[in-house]
Amino acid sequence: DAGVIQSPRHEVTEMGQEVTLRCKPISGHNSLFWYRQTMMRGLELLIYFNNNVPIDDSGMPEDRFSAKMPNASFSTLKIQPSEPRDSAVYFCASTNLGAGSLTLHFGNGTRLTVT
Amino acid sequence: RKEVEQDPGPFNVPEGATVAFNCTYSNSASQSFFWYRQDCRKEPKLLMSVYSSGNEDGRFTAQLNRASQYISLLIRDSKLSDSATYLCVVNRDDKIIFGKGTRLHILP
Repeated sequence: DAGVIQSPRHEVTEMGQEVTLRCKPISGHNSLFWYRQTMMRGLELLIYFNNNVPIDDSGMPEDRFSAKMPNASFSTLKIQPSEPRDSAVYFCASTNLGAGSLTLHFGNGTRLTVT
Repeated sequence: RKEVEQDPGPFNVPEGATVAFNCTYSNSASQSFFWYRQDCRKEPKLLMSVYSSGNEDGRFTAQLNRASQYISLLIRDSKLSDSATYLCVVNRDDKIIFGKGTRLHILP
């Protein structure tokens, strides 16, 4: 099993640019979560999908952030336009909600730096 | 108030000692509880689930007190390899929420 795959591992961009983060969940998992981690705020839940449908996006900071899951094997998190305060590590995680055991499997994360 | 609160530490503990972390959660509708471990610059990984009756996994013991909305983790005979950040996690209606974590340093 390849695990959750995120790309890119590192992204450095200038303020105002569009940033797209990508995630491939574990095959067979029905749910996907996007988190953002900073020293100040810890791991914050941004949005999660169940069966490709966004269930709760109340953690998305503002309209500059958007997430999609066009199919069961792919999700994107887009920031447009990016700002320096968006600098953080962005994690994607997948699991099988409703299957009894609730273990989140995380990708390696994308370290985003906005200058 | 954050939904899941933890003492950020750091806890500096000599090797072989016993250390305990606590966590409180604010929403009484929370349904299931977990401890995750995160090593420096790595992703979080599940350490153990937490059950009302308390549960043990080797040197690790987790306890849940629903009345007080309080979760604990006890590590006995601590090892250098236990140095990490320990994250308290709460599931409320499939919304999985993490605390900020408690940093643990085991000293040789």
